[in-house]
Amino acid sequence: AQTVTQSQPEMSVQEAETVTLSCTYDTSESDYYLFWYKQPPSRQMILVIRQEAYKQQNATENRFSVNFQKAAKSFSLKISDSQLGDAAMYFCAFTYGGSQGNLIFGKGTKLSVKP
Amino acid sequence: DGGITQSPKYLFRKEGQNVTLSCEQNLNHDAMYWYRQDPGQGLRLIYYSQIVNDFQKGDIAEGYSVSREKKESFPLTVTSAQKNPTAFYLCASSIGGSRTGAFFGQGTRLTVV
Repeated sequence: AQTVTQSQPEMSVQEAETVTLSCTYDTSESDYYLFWYKQPPSRQMILVIRQEAYKQQNATENRFSVNFQKAAKSFSLKISDSQLGDAAMYFCAFTYGGSQGNLIFGKGTKLSVKP
Repeated sequence: DGGITQSPKYLFRKEGQNVTLSCEQNLNHDAMYWYRQDPGQGLRLIYYSQIVNDFQKGDIAEGYSVSREKKESFPLTVTSAQKNPTAFYLCASSIGGSRTGAFFGQGTRLTVV
């Protein structure tokens, strides 16, 4: 069975600083995909970044980047130059090539940004 | 603008009643999904559909039903058999399966009174 674990229920960062959110996963699949989603107070889920397991290069989207450690089954999200608008719940999610629809989510990390 | 529209945003239901949550997308996506979110939990999959007139149960399908008569629409019915229906419900769609990442609607908050 596939599982996704986020071990940090809450995190806090000072504005303009950098923060890293942790995610580990467990799977026996070789073809899989990992995601970070942001859920602001409006509660709409927003796709932040996507990583394909077969790509060694870490994905980057502006201030957001991941550290994908395939052997360790770790997929952390780094937010640089944190902004007040980054305050939200962040969910790590997983799916695999043979899946027809099941995005498996972690329980989330609540990020606070202090001015 | 393309997107996913869920309605209503807030819904109240009396115990014993069925209620239907609407989800419409104009992204021309083949796949659509329903997730349930409870406090302190991640999202859990209720049902998903890859093509019109076909859908599959997710992890927590008991007490729910869906239909997919049109590509754009994927309504979810919460039946009286669902023992704990109060939750936040999110509809999503994707181009082909979930490997591309899914796009979500703004959600419906269902409260049983």
